[in-house]
Amino acid sequence: QKEVEQNSGPLSVPEGAIASLNCTYSDRGSQSFFWYRQYSGKSPELIMSIYSNGDKEDGRFTAQLNKASQYVSLLIRDSQPSDSATYLCAVNDSGSSNTGKLIFGQGTTLQVKP
Amino acid sequence: GAVVSQHPSWVICKSGTSVKIECRSLDFQATTMFWYRQFPKQSLMLMATSNEGSKATYEQGVEKDKFLINHASLTLSTLTVTSAHPEDSSFYICSASSRLGQGRDTQYFGPGTRLTVL
Repeated sequence: QKEVEQNSGPLSVPEGAIASLNCTYSDRGSQSFFWYRQYSGKSPELIMSIYSNGDKEDGRFTAQLNKASQYVSLLIRDSQPSDSATYLCAVNDSGSSNTGKLIFGQGTTLQVKP
Repeated sequence: GAVVSQHPSWVICKSGTSVKIECRSLDFQATTMFWYRQFPKQSLMLMATSNEGSKATYEQGVEKDKFLINHASLTLSTLTVTSAHPEDSSFYICSASSRLGQGRDTQYFGPGTRLTVL
């Protein structure tokens, strides 16, 4: 059973701080990694994708990937109350590479307090 | 770019009726579309994967005769919940996958359809 593990939280950070969200995965063959943000009652929204080891930055967001450790993280700098949401980590299912099927974690709830 | 729409955004129906939900990729051709269901406070649950012109692949435990999926074109997939019952009340979300960016599949989600069965 392929799994993606996330701490469900809630992770509470003060406004302006760095929020660090972590994710581990079991499928060693996975090559594509994604972070989605989901506000309560809404559908997931793609924030970042990362495919190579190392860091990838996009505005206040930085995704980090370490395939050897099967670990992917998301850093949110200068956290804002509007960042309060559930963050879903997803990795491609290597056994279904022709379909683009993703395996999702349970999500980490982030609360940014003013 | 990469916009996915769903219709309707919400629907209320009586027990025993059928409900059709449409999912469209508006500005790209989707190689594959996915249907998810999400109950309150729970994570996404993949129901099925569909490719244009072929039968959908259902996840274990999902009744294919109850949740009919048609993928008529590269931009349209429909999910029909047949003989809906109150336990089918949920948030149904589609996603469309396209080989954008670095040539790897990326899933883009529609806004979801909230189904309430009375």
